[in-house]
Amino acid sequence: QKEVEQNSGPLSVPEGAIASLNCTYSDRGSQSFFWYRQYSGKSPELIMSIYSNGDKEDGRFTAQLNKASQYVSLLIRDSQPSDSATYLCAVNGYSSASKIIFGSGTRLSIRP
Amino acid sequence: NAGVTQTPKFQVLKTGQSMTLQCAQDMNHNSMYWYRQDPGMGLRLIYYSASEGTTDKGEVPNGYNVSRLNKREFSLRLESAAPSQTSVYFCASSNEVNSQPQHFGDGTRLSIL
Repeated sequence: QKEVEQNSGPLSVPEGAIASLNCTYSDRGSQSFFWYRQYSGKSPELIMSIYSNGDKEDGRFTAQLNKASQYVSLLIRDSQPSDSATYLCAVNGYSSASKIIFGSGTRLSIRP
Repeated sequence: NAGVTQTPKFQVLKTGQSMTLQCAQDMNHNSMYWYRQDPGMGLRLIYYSASEGTTDKGEVPNGYNVSRLNKREFSLRLESAAPSQTSVYFCASSNEVNSQPQHFGDGTRLSIL
């Protein structure tokens, strides 16, 4: 089992709809969770951090964390064509006392 | 605001050649990282430096060496390049190794022929 798993997609969502991206992780001791956006040919950029159970909202983005289910998600409301990108989930590898572990990413496509 | 600066941006090498990828950050971060990204594989950690003076292996360290020259600079060296090392390499930095988000450089696109 991969430490951080994401559906590779592509996930196709109509413009203006809600895009829902999901991520599961294997390390129950993980404490820090991040979502990065990566445009094609560019470097990852941080869009959300979440550290406690529940929802965290920032503009059109909402991160949701459920530690009991080892599940973190990202909702993008009012999806825009500029949201088309690959979204990387990242989780700290607490049990190995080291590093952030990245998922392989979900490719999101917003169709007009 | 430069953030994380990587050089070079592109490089083509022949098998067996050596080269060093340079990375510098101006955010006074303690921790720095080198990743490689291959299609469908996500980001894989090569080496990291939790703080100045320390370096540790990541998931895929074979064929690479690193130097944390000072707090700002963290270099990645390929001693004898192999075609399997063709990839995009990203340097990143963060305040702490485990709990803080990372800031990435623009990447180095490396091809080994």
